[in-house]
Amino acid sequence: AQTVTQSQPEMSVQEAETVTLSCTYDTSESDYYLFWYKQPPSRQMILVIRQEAYKQQNATENRFSVNFQKAAKSFSLKISDSQLGDAAMYFCAYRSRWTGANNLFFGTGTRLTVIP
Amino acid sequence: DVKVTQSSRYLVKRTGEKVFLECVQDMDHENMFWYRQDPGLGLRLIYFSYDVKMKEKGDIPEGYSVSREKKERFSLILESASTNQTSMYLCATRRDIYEQYFGPGTRLTVT
Repeated sequence: AQTVTQSQPEMSVQEAETVTLSCTYDTSESDYYLFWYKQPPSRQMILVIRQEAYKQQNATENRFSVNFQKAAKSFSLKISDSQLGDAAMYFCAYRSRWTGANNLFFGTGTRLTVIP
Repeated sequence: DVKVTQSSRYLVKRTGEKVFLECVQDMDHENMFWYRQDPGLGLRLIYFSYDVKMKEKGDIPEGYSVSREKKERFSLILESASTNQTSMYLCATRRDIYEQYFGPGTRLTVT
């Protein structure tokens, strides 16, 4: 089974600064999807950004961008100009591109605190 | 917007009780999922369903069962609740190959 590792249980960032959350994964597959999900306190988990493994270009969504290093099996999330509303638990997740694959493998999460 | 609702935000049950957690979605998605979320363990898949009356075990199905009689509703059943099933339970749905949409979660405490 695939494994997803988030080695930073907690991170903090000053408001308006930039922070990078780390994620590594282990897989023997060549084609897959990677995701970052955000879970604010007492609120629903939402998708922040996704990356298809066959795309070399790093995905970007406004202030959120990823650094996808396929050979190193690394998928970090960079949050620029951090805002108070970015405070949340962030989960990295992996899913095979095989159409029958339904399981989304999650990391253990990184709790991000934003300091005013 | 996709809406995924769960029947309760907080639930307290006694050991040995039968517990039903309900999940309802309004977007006609084929795939529905039940996850369990525990600190330090992330989210782990309990069961998923890809169609009405169809289900498959996830990574941690022991002690749980599911029911999907209608496309929009996916129920998680704890036949005899135990204290080690105290957790946050998240329902999710998916239509296409990308995104899963999550419900707000049910925090279950078994005493």
